[in-house]
Amino acid sequence: NAGVMQNPRHLVRRRGQEARLRCSPMKGHSHVYWYRQLPEEGLKFMVYLQKENIIDESGMPKERFSAEFPKEGPSILRIQQVVRGDSAAYFCASSTRADEQYFGPGTRLTVT
Amino acid sequence: QQQVKQSPQSLIVQKGGISIINCAYENTAFDYFPWYQQFPGKGPALLIAIRPDVSEKKEGRFTISFNKSAKQFSLHIMDSQPGDSATYFCAASSTTGFQKLVFGTGTRLLVSP
Repeated sequence: NAGVMQNPRHLVRRRGQEARLRCSPMKGHSHVYWYRQLPEEGLKFMVYLQKENIIDESGMPKERFSAEFPKEGPSILRIQQVVRGDSAAYFCASSTRADEQYFGPGTRLTVT
Repeated sequence: QQQVKQSPQSLIVQKGGISIINCAYENTAFDYFPWYQQFPGKGPALLIAIRPDVSEKKEGRFTISFNKSAKQFSLHIMDSQPGDSATYFCAASSTTGFQKLVFGTGTRLLVSP
């Protein structure tokens, strides 16, 4: 009965490098959401995906950020050319229905 | 209109007391209101949730009170315990839309022994 899995748990990148964050939803869940949490702040929605489709990316910065949820494998949040302001905790959540979202442990990204 | 306002920012309660956290929203399309508990270094854990067709929902020591006309909802933690010390987030979403959760800014609860 595994929950939502995210890896890596901690990621350190230098400015200008790429960061790849992975999320495996709970078994049977086909909806994946990514949220970002800045220190001492609440979570902000980034993107909502279903298998092979981006449903809502209204919270995603227009440049450098992309997300995918392929037919096979985990969902990937990709940040190109990272900057210090990208340092945050990134959480993914999964659900079967529209309402109950279950969160993973998060990936804490540090940009040096 | 997409904001969810949460108060207080921090709260200290003695063991055995009642912790009360309040949230308010503007978007009348919101129809799902969950509360999440987050411990340091961990992901948010779904605690309890309510829909507008009921005014109160209770699960163990946790109760959500919902006031649709005032567009407010609150979390009550009865008999608060030191193990309840965590950050609590309210959230809201519209299940007829894309279901993204809009979170409050969080309340850091400390239950003193």
